[in-house]
Amino acid sequence: NAGVTQTPKFRVLKTGQSMTLLCAQDMNHEYMYWYRQDPGMGLRLIHYSVGEGTTAKGEVPDGYNVSRLKKQNFLLGLESAAPSQTSVYFCASTPGVSGYTFGSGTRLTVV
Amino acid sequence: GQQVMQIPQYQHVQEGEDFTTYCNSSTTLSNIQWYKQRPGGHPVFLIQLVKSGEVKKQKRLTFQFGEAKKNSSLHITATQTTDVGTYFCAGNSGGSNYKLTFGKGTLLTVNP
Repeated sequence: NAGVTQTPKFRVLKTGQSMTLLCAQDMNHEYMYWYRQDPGMGLRLIHYSVGEGTTAKGEVPDGYNVSRLKKQNFLLGLESAAPSQTSVYFCASTPGVSGYTFGSGTRLTVV
Repeated sequence: GQQVMQIPQYQHVQEGEDFTTYCNSSTTLSNIQWYKQRPGGHPVFLIQLVKSGEVKKQKRLTFQFGEAKKNSSLHITATQTTDVGTYFCAGNSGGSNYKLTFGKGTLLTVNP
């Protein structure tokens, strides 16, 4: 039982490049979330999904897109990376009425 | 939108001292959750409080949910070096999307 797995763990991008972050959970959780964490800013919600095939915007969605084609996977895309997107990205999931299970994070640097 | 404020931002204590972090929401919450994040790690769920005035304990940690369900606290008795990390509260205002609003966290450092 792996829980929530994020790939990659580290990535350096050049400004304007694109990439996709993958989040996979094996707990059959309905709800999945993408957060970014910056120093002094806490955890800010980017996008979330309340079930397979659904997505919704969070607090800071600009510059990101998401897809949830399969229940177990939640993908976060950056179409044209900017230095302001340098951050640590966390994926989380929950069955609904309990705490979130977080992945170990992706550390992204945009130069 | 809903805001969750957490104080203090930082707290440095000597090992054996007590520690408390406070969380206040701008709106009434359905429930509140607490998480711990070790340096370089990811947030780990500690507990969820649902009822008005609820108090829960986990060994040296005591969690409280206010009567009005707008504030909460986490108290650690006799801190240890293993308690080092950032403690986040996260409020759920209800609804079917189970979307949490996180406080900015309190970073606890412990001097041995």
